[in-house]
Amino acid sequence: KNEVEQSPQNLTAQEGEFITINCSYSVGISALHWLQQHPGGGIVSLFMLSSGKKKHGRLIATINIQEKHSSLHITASHPRDSAVYICAVSDSGNTPLVFGKGTRLSVIA
Amino acid sequence: NAGVMQNPRHLVRRRGQEARLRCSPMKGHSHVYWYRQLPEEGLKFMVYLQKENIIDESGMPKERFSAEFPKEGPSILRIQQVVRGDSAAYFCASSPASSYNEQFFGPGTRLTVL
Repeated sequence: KNEVEQSPQNLTAQEGEFITINCSYSVGISALHWLQQHPGGGIVSLFMLSSGKKKHGRLIATINIQEKHSSLHITASHPRDSAVYICAVSDSGNTPLVFGKGTRLSVIA
Repeated sequence: NAGVMQNPRHLVRRRGQEARLRCSPMKGHSHVYWYRQLPEEGLKFMVYLQKENIIDESGMPKERFSAEFPKEGPSILRIQQVVRGDSAAYFCASSPASSYNEQFFGPGTRLTVL
């Protein structure tokens, strides 16, 4: 069974800072997801990736399959980016997601 | 195209009552997953269903919990005789048959057991 570790658990940043959140997993995967959850809110899927790099606005996600590691970067952070960011992996195409415990990000104006 | 819908968004039950949580997948999606998020904990898989079939229920508690996804209508997660420890956010996600990895999440149902 895959184990997913995220770091850091909590992160406080000043508005405008460049932010990196890390995710490591133990077993080869078919896909990795980055999710965003606002306090008391639902879950939004930010990225699904199986190789390389994806970019959407100020968000960038990278994955290194050999090292079993992914990073989520936020450029020019803003208070509205404050949320819990969750990494999840799927071992194969038809297995449920295994989640990390999340990284709680607070961006201060 | 509406996203994944869950209702109710908030549900309050007293100990011993039954809770029914509904999930309507995105149009064209035939796979539904239920996840539970306990307070201050990460999301945990509960059950994976296709229409009229339970594919994987390895994450479901053995007692009081059941799930179904009928041919017509939403998927339902049913919790009988609720206890305080069942208080959590329950999320469902759906995916199309062609891409199990492409899961879209609903807004969740927050269950509070008094």
